[in-house]
Amino acid sequence: EPEVTQTPSHQVTQMGQEVILRCVPISNHLYFYWYRQILGQKVEFLVSFYNNEISEKSEIFDDQFSVERPDGSNFTLKIRSTKLEDSAMYFCASSRGYGYTFGSGTRLTVV
Amino acid sequence: QQPVQSPQAVILREGEDAVINCSSSKALYSVHWYRQKHGEAPVFLMILLKGGEQKGHEKISASFNEKKQQSSLYLTASQLSYSGTYFCGTEGDNFGNEKLTFGTGTRLTIIP
Repeated sequence: EPEVTQTPSHQVTQMGQEVILRCVPISNHLYFYWYRQILGQKVEFLVSFYNNEISEKSEIFDDQFSVERPDGSNFTLKIRSTKLEDSAMYFCASSRGYGYTFGSGTRLTVV
Repeated sequence: QQPVQSPQAVILREGEDAVINCSSSKALYSVHWYRQKHGEAPVFLMILLKGGEQKGHEKISASFNEKKQQSSLYLTASQLSYSGTYFCGTEGDNFGNEKLTFGTGTRLTIIP
């Protein structure tokens, strides 16, 4: 069964450093998303991406965040200057319109 | 704006039935249901669309009351593998790549 692949599975970074989280969505999916989940809490929307541009973003997705689809397959989330409160599980998801397929997530720890 | 789920947590014995409810304050186009096991990604279970169309698994069913902006997930003859946190995800009444807003979650524990 096709799956969404995320790398790395776990990243530890110092506050103020830049991180790039990578995702390979399912190849025939058209819609791409980033969500995050602080431990034990709700799944929060960050950004959606369609037709090579951002279609919607949340208040969390401020100027420190950016997304790219550099080569038609990878889908990246960049956090320019990480803060302690960015520590969370970051999930990439893709969809063809019915139901999301989530990746296994990247656990980001900011110290 | 986050959908509210009830109950927050439930413990069942294997073979018992469960109902998980999801309530939104806004008009909905669709409701999705996901199950997340500890330390893993949410897994898609089912989608219910405005107008009554339904997709998903065989042994898990759901209903969608558009007027009340509510959905319920029904788990019958629960199995140990059903344990996890269940999230509903709602899509507003403006179909076209709209994001999902996830509910507060319901932790289901099945015991032998």
